[in-house]
Amino acid sequence: ETGVTQSPTHLIKTRGQQVTLRCSSQSGHNTVSWYQQALGQGPQFIFQYYREEENGRGNFPPRFSGLQFPNYSSELNVNALELDDSALYLCASSPGLAGEVFFGPGTRLTVT
Amino acid sequence: DAKTTQPNSMESNEEEPVHLPCNHSTISGTDYIHWYRQLPSQGPEYVIHGLTSNVNNRMASLAIAEDRKSSTLILHRATLRDAAVYYCILRDPGGSQGNLIFGKGTKLSVKP
Repeated sequence: ETGVTQSPTHLIKTRGQQVTLRCSSQSGHNTVSWYQQALGQGPQFIFQYYREEENGRGNFPPRFSGLQFPNYSSELNVNALELDDSALYLCASSPGLAGEVFFGPGTRLTVT
Repeated sequence: DAKTTQPNSMESNEEEPVHLPCNHSTISGTDYIHWYRQLPSQGPEYVIHGLTSNVNNRMASLAIAEDRKSSTLILHRATLRDAAVYYCILRDPGGSQGNLIFGKGTKLSVKP
């Protein structure tokens, strides 16, 4: 059984550009969440998808958007990148809203 | 959401037990106490969780105070691979969202 995978591993973008990060959930998991982790901080919740519908959102602006596909894989899109968007982006999946949460290794985004 | 308080850092010697404290004085009756840890350059991983009774698994033990306002994660014999940031998180499985709210956690250093 494969765990949560994310791509790419690292990414460098320029301010103002757009970026798409991808995540494959663990098999059988219908819930996926995205987190942003700045250096030296704990992960901050961006949003969650449950069975392809957004099921909650943290304190992030609308330029952070997402999708969950029928196979429960997911994308995080960020428009109009800002320097402060530089962070580790973590995808997490779980078999439901209350189950143990499994995290991927993250995508390191650098905005210059 | 209820919040937790943890020391910023702790140090341990290899092969010795480690007790990581967490205060959660505003915990509600339906909140479970979860512990996750994040090793360097990895996503967080689940360690253990409990509601009222003490819990044991292959990774650690969780001791929960009788009033549930504090808990302690116990690593029985610390190894160098246990060096990580440990997060104590309250989670309500009946809540509409299953997201985790991370604080800054406790950075555990293990000396050989």
